[in-house]
Amino acid sequence: DTEVTQTPKHLVMGMTNKKSLKCEQHMGHRAMYWYKQKAKKPPELMFVYSYEKLSINESVPSRFSPECPNSSLLNLHLHALQPEDSALYLCASSQDLRGRTEAFFGQGTRLTVV
Amino acid sequence: AQTVTQSQPEMSVQEAETVTLSCTYDTSESDYYLFWYKQPPSRQMILVIRQEAYKQQNATENRFSVNFQKAAKSFSLKISDSQLGDAAMYFCASLNYGGSQGNLIFGKGTKLSVKP
Repeated sequence: DTEVTQTPKHLVMGMTNKKSLKCEQHMGHRAMYWYKQKAKKPPELMFVYSYEKLSINESVPSRFSPECPNSSLLNLHLHALQPEDSALYLCASSQDLRGRTEAFFGQGTRLTVV
Repeated sequence: AQTVTQSQPEMSVQEAETVTLSCTYDTSESDYYLFWYKQPPSRQMILVIRQEAYKQQNATENRFSVNFQKAAKSFSLKISDSQLGDAAMYFCASLNYGGSQGNLIFGKGTKLSVKP
C-alpha cells in the first residue's frame, strides 16, 4: 500500500466556519507534510511532522493549525480563513526526515473559502 | 538558499516522439536528492524518477531518464516514446539532507502537452 488518502476531496467553507482536513497513510512513514498549492503554481511547504512532533512551520498564519494524533494520521484544522486561502492542500509522507526515500502525495483537498 | 529553476513554462511533443524538460538547481549542500514529479489534472503528485546526488550514473525508469550534470547543477528529464497519458504538469524538486531537513523545494513547473 503506497497510498496517502486525503478527505474531503472538495470543501467549501465560509470565513467564520471551522473545518478540518484529514490525511492518512499506512506505509509506516514517520514524516508527514502539508503543502499549499495555488493554481498553476508549485506546492509550497506549510508544516512538517517528524515522529508526531512538529518539525517545520513555514511561518503559516495561526488560522491554520496542524495536528498529528498518531503516526498514521495528520490533520489540518481551519478557522477564520480568508478567500485568499482558497487553494489545493496536499498531504505527503516519507519514511522519515533522514530516510533516503521520496515523498508520497495524496490527491489533495480543493478548498474554497467564500 | 536552495532553489530550483524550470525555464520552460510549456512544452509540446508529438505522440511517440522524445521530449526533454530542463531543470537547474542551486544548493550549498553536498548530500541531496533530485526528483521529477508529475501532476496530471487529477491533481495527485506522482513521482516519475529520482536521482541521488552521490551517484554518478543517470537514473532511468522505463521511458523516463535523466541527464544529471552535478558540476553544472543541471537535472533534465527525457521522455521517450511519449504517450497521451504523459500530458501533465512536471515539477523538478530537490531535497537537502542538511539544515532544512524534509523541505522538498519545487520548481515552477513545465506543462507538457502530447499531440496525437
